[in-house]
Amino acid sequence: AQSVTQLDSHVSVSEGTPVLLRCNYSSSYSPSLFWYVQHPNKGLQLLLKYTSAATLVKGINGFEAEFKKSETSFHLTKPSAHMSDAAEYFCVVNNNAGNMLTFGGGTRLMVKP
Amino acid sequence: EPEVTQTPSHQVTQMGQEVILRCVPISNHLYFYWYRQILGQKVEFLVSFYNNEISEKSEIFDDQFSVERPDGSNFTLKIRSTKLEDSAMYFCASNGGAETQYFGPGTRLLVL
Repeated sequence: AQSVTQLDSHVSVSEGTPVLLRCNYSSSYSPSLFWYVQHPNKGLQLLLKYTSAATLVKGINGFEAEFKKSETSFHLTKPSAHMSDAAEYFCVVNNNAGNMLTFGGGTRLMVKP
Repeated sequence: EPEVTQTPSHQVTQMGQEVILRCVPISNHLYFYWYRQILGQKVEFLVSFYNNEISEKSEIFDDQFSVERPDGSNFTLKIRSTKLEDSAMYFCASNGGAETQYFGPGTRLLVL
């Protein structure tokens, strides 16, 4: 069985300050992990993915995430938030025994001017 | 850049009615999926589809649900007799054989 926990349902930061969105997972397999972003009235857009290559993964729009097996974590970071980053972010794990994705509960990121 | 599209964007229906949600996956993709998100809850897997048959389904995907690829481009989800608890956002996704699934914008279904 696999599960994903996003530790914060809401995160609020000021523009220009760092962003940290936390994610912990459990999986019986060597997981593939993803972060997706959903802007209002838009679909789920892939930000980045980890598939057992480099543990530090760079994505679009300046985001990156680090896979830490010992901590079963895959936290998403960005050095400097922009107003356009305001959205809902989902941490997702892929069950390598199949194609089913398991989603975390989502973190709504708010960026204050 | 190719993308997954879904129609309609919003659907309102009466309880007990049948609805069909439509998706056009990315054109060279072979694997197709439906997920749903009830308001305030997690995104949940419903079903995956490959080579004209269901490859995996969740316990949510009961006999009220069916999927079909009626032609070379569309992928549909049918709910035979809708219930109030079917109200949700329904997402279609596709992938070309790698691990990344590409999602459509969703159809918001409201059952009255």
